Amino acid sequence: SAVISQKPSRDICQRGTSLTIQCQVDSQVTMMFWYRQQPGQSLTLIATANQGSEATYESGFVIDKFPISRPNLTFSTLTVSNMSPEDSSIYLCSVEGGTANTGELFFGEGSRLTVL
Amino acid sequence: EDKVVQSPLSLVVHEGDTVTLNCSYEVTNFRSLLWYKQEKKAPTFLFMLTSSGIEKKSGRLSSILDKKELFSILNITATQTGDSAIYLCAVEPGGTSYGKLTFGQGTILTVHP
Repeated sequence: SAVISQKPSRDICQRGTSLTIQCQVDSQVTMMFWYRQQPGQSLTLIATANQGSEATYESGFVIDKFPISRPNLTFSTLTVSNMSPEDSSIYLCSVEGGTANTGELFFGEGSRLTVL
Repeated sequence: EDKVVQSPLSLVVHEGDTVTLNCSYEVTNFRSLLWYKQEKKAPTFLFMLTSSGIEKKSGRLSSILDKKELFSILNITATQTGDSAIYLCAVEPGGTSYGKLTFGQGTILTVHP
């Protein structure tokens, strides 16, 4: 199983600012996934981050708002840009689990952002 | 667009009760259905189901998939307070979309002593 560390675990941000969330995995993984969980809602996939290529964004999410870096096989960052209160969410990093090429994912503890 | 609907949205039971959580789905190209348990922030993996009619079991938890009716259930027998959590159902599409899950809204289970 993979151990995933996310930083920060929580933050309170001002409207209009940007925040970068870091995700560190204890093993090399091909794909890393960023999900968002808005208050009272389920998880929604933001984008898939592959090392050495641009992230692939899901419908409704754009690179200007959520730029992602993937400099190596164990690390990724997600930036939430020009934040508004609607961006208040838990942001979760995840990687594939024990069996490759399946939907079995391990999740980080998440980063809870509150935008005032 | 893929869609997952869970029911009930919330459930309150007493220790020792048996519960059944439901998950129905629509997906263009189905690969698997997954169940997760979310207690605080990080969902933890419970089951992955790919074949119809084959029960997956882990202790007091079990799950089965009906690919004809596009439906899955998660059973928890002899519930304990530690089972209190949000239970999430998700579907994974086929093709090369590994890890790109569509989640349901979850069932909030509360188990009272």
